[in-house]
Amino acid sequence: DTGVSQDPRHKITKRGQNVTFRCDPISEHNRLYWYRQTLGQGPEFLTYFQNEAQLEKSRLLSDRFSAERPKGSFSTLEIQRTEQGDSAMYLCASSLYQGTGGETQYFGPGTRLLVL
Amino acid sequence: AQTVTQSQPEMSVQEAETVTLSCTYDTSENNYYLFWYKQPPSRQMILVIRQEAYKQQNATENRFSVNFQKAAKSFSLKISDSQLGDTAMYFCAFMSRIQGAQKLVFGQGTRLTINP
Repeated sequence: DTGVSQDPRHKITKRGQNVTFRCDPISEHNRLYWYRQTLGQGPEFLTYFQNEAQLEKSRLLSDRFSAERPKGSFSTLEIQRTEQGDSAMYLCASSLYQGTGGETQYFGPGTRLLVL
Repeated sequence: AQTVTQSQPEMSVQEAETVTLSCTYDTSENNYYLFWYKQPPSRQMILVIRQEAYKQQNATENRFSVNFQKAAKSFSLKISDSQLGDTAMYFCAFMSRIQGAQKLVFGQGTRLTINP
């Protein structure tokens, strides 16, 4: 089953360090989304791509966050100078956009980040 | 900006009972999509059911159905003949049809426990 995969699944880092997460979407999906979920809350949108173009970024995505999707395949999310408030589950989702919207997003297992 | 509100943080029912989860949302758009996603403990988020706002007929998927009241901006989920495997966090989500704004906006979630 080639669903959405994320790597690593868990990351513990010290405050001030940089971390990078990777997401591999379902192969034919052209859209890729990043969300952040803190304990007991619903996911919050961070950014999304259509192919390699980044179409929208949330105000939650401070200057310390950057996301890329080179060649429209996998995506990386980097957090620079991590802070304790960055501790959360980072979820990736992908979908097949066919022009009308409302397509189902398929989620990966997430990367749980703990900043000490 | 759109908001989604789930007013029931936790619910608990006996196996085989019917349960209804509430969701309200706020938007100025006329056409949009609504979703219910399920997040089982330590497992990834999966789609339960999807509703297109321009369709008056309520969506159904086996034991899952929705009551979509567009004027009231209400979108409740009914689970019939509940099963132990339905135990999970349930998130209501909104998606715009506007190009460049097609991310999911989630509610806070309802933790549903099905008791044997």
